[in-house]
Parts: sequence; C-alpha cells; structure tokens
Amino acid sequence: AQSVTQPDIHITVSEGASLELRCNYSYGATPYLFWYVQSPGQGLQLLLKYFSGDTLVQGIKGFEAEFKRSQSSFNLRKPSVHWSDAAEYFCAVGSPYGNKLVFGAGTILRVKS
Amino acid sequence: NAGVTQTPKFQVLKTGQSMTLQCAQDMNHNSMYWYRQDPGMGLRLIYYSASEGTTDKGEVPNGYNVSRLNKREFSLRLESAAPSQTSVYFCASSEGLAGAGYFGAGTRLSVL
Repeated sequence: AQSVTQPDIHITVSEGASLELRCNYSYGATPYLFWYVQSPGQGLQLLLKYFSGDTLVQGIKGFEAEFKRSQSSFNLRKPSVHWSDAAEYFCAVGSPYGNKLVFGAGTILRVKS
Repeated sequence: NAGVTQTPKFQVLKTGQSMTLQCAQDMNHNSMYWYRQDPGMGLRLIYYSASEGTTDKGEVPNGYNVSRLNKREFSLRLESAAPSQTSVYFCASSEGLAGAGYFGAGTRLSVL
C-alpha cells in the first residue's frame, strides 16, 4: 500500500533563508509525486508534480523538488523563503494505475523576520 | 476562472441531521474527488468519480453517499450526521485518475 511520511510537523526558517521540506514515500513501483501548499482557511494549491523523466522538478512560486528513487524521497526546496510562504505543505503519492492520492500529514512552515 | 467551487463554506448540524455538500468545476475535468481533512492526518479520500456516471469508494466512505450529477457537478451527502464527521471537506478535480490537481476552498462542517 502507498504511504507518505513527512517527518517534520513544524519548521521555522528566517526570511531569506533556504528551505527544505522532507517527504518519504512507500510504493512498489515508480510513483506519481506531488507537493501542495495550503494557506490558512484555503484549499490546496498544486506546487509541482513528478510523473517521469527529469528527477528535478520545477514548480510555481520558486519551488523545486527532487525525486530520489534510492532514498524513496521527494523533498521540496526553495533557495530563499519569503514571509508569504508561511503555510502548510503536503506531499502526496499516487499511482499511474491507481485512483487516488495518499497524503502525508503535512508540515507547517513558519517564517520569522 | 472559478476552478472548483464548493458550497456552503460553513455548516453546523445537529447529530442525525442530513445535508448535501455541493461541488462544481469548470475545467472540463473527467475525475472528481471528495476528501476530508482532519488535524494531523492529512487528507483522506471519501469517494471519487473517474468519469460522469461512475463513482467509487475511497479510504473512508462510511456514512457518506455521492452523486455525479453531470460532468461538472459532484455532490457529497451525509444522511445522518455524526460528531465524527466534524471535519473540513474538500472537493477536487483532475484531468485523469493519477492525481487531484485542483481543490475547492473547502466546507467547514461541525456536527454537534
């Protein structure tokens, strides 16, 4: 069965600092991988997705993620965080043959000035 | 460009009452989904519809029913609400079954 682990419940970074949010997945074949962001009181917005090909994926808002099959990871990165990036981030895994996404529990990002 | 629209945004029910959550998308997507979000648990799939006329159970379907009224609309019904159904409900749509790309703003439901 598919599963997703986001090891960090909360992360605090200073504005302008770099960011890495961790995501580990469990899936028997090559998964479809996603990162979403959720601002308070809002729905989820898709940041980026990986289906196949280049393992470094560029997304919106300056985010990128790297798929590492050997580590079963899909970590989200941003070189310089802005205060507006404060939100909750969800990693999700899907299957090319399946019918649903499995979400991690989320990581809450706080940005201090 | 509305995307995915959910109504209502907030609702308070008493135990045993029924209600229907409405969802509509204007992106001509085939697949639509209902998720619930609970603190510390991420999102869990309740039901999904791969295409107009089809619906299937997700991870947590008990206590819910759905209707795919047409390609645009996918409703979620609680026949007899229970306090355990207090949650935030999200509708989503995607071009295929591989993932839910677009989410509505959510319905915050409290069952007393």
